[in-house]
Amino acid sequence: DGGITQSPKYLFRKEGQNVTLSCEQNLNHDAMYWYRQDPGQGLRLIYYSQIVNDFQKGDIAEGYSVSREKKESFPLTVTSAQKNPTAFYLCASRGRGVETQYFGPGTRLLVL
Amino acid sequence: DAKTTQPNSMESNEEEPVHLPCNHSTISGTDYIHWYRQLPSQGPEYVIHGLTSNVNNRMASLAIAEDRKSSTLILHRATLRDAAVYYCILLSVAGGTSYGKLTFGQGTILTVHP
Repeated sequence: DGGITQSPKYLFRKEGQNVTLSCEQNLNHDAMYWYRQDPGQGLRLIYYSQIVNDFQKGDIAEGYSVSREKKESFPLTVTSAQKNPTAFYLCASRGRGVETQYFGPGTRLLVL
Repeated sequence: DAKTTQPNSMESNEEEPVHLPCNHSTISGTDYIHWYRQLPSQGPEYVIHGLTSNVNNRMASLAIAEDRKSSTLILHRATLRDAAVYYCILLSVAGGTSYGKLTFGQGTILTVHP
């Protein structure tokens, strides 16, 4: 089945540790996005990529990094510089010329 | 980015119609109106979108005011599965190319009573 997968579902981070969240899509979509959601809030854009080997910062990119080496993959690294990383992280993708974004099931990141 | 204003919460009874309003008084001519919904602990799900004309699909209808400064998402017969947070979002198409940057507000929490 086509879709977006995110792993893991839950992730625990220790102080000072970098962690990487996985996002894979088999929809052949060009554009991919990472959002962060805090409790009771809407989603905020962290990074987005419109094409392989290219990505741009969103509204809250500080403390995060991404790569886009393959069309189907857009991993997000939460670095130790992100002081408040506890949140629900959502990955999305969008096909060329199409307005609709398709979202993955999300990864919940917790700090130990 | 043009902003939207939605009520914090609304309630409905099962099998009754629901009208979810959205104000977007600063909308520009190239802004599409999108609606997404999010069930608890899940990623958002696309519902419907439109530019100027009213739109219908299997999930809902979208009624857009003539001046485009407001719109209404219509669920014709609410079910318990429709209980979710509904987001009204403006998506700009600049120069004919959409960068797809969705700006989410807090949305409307819809409660459906059996």
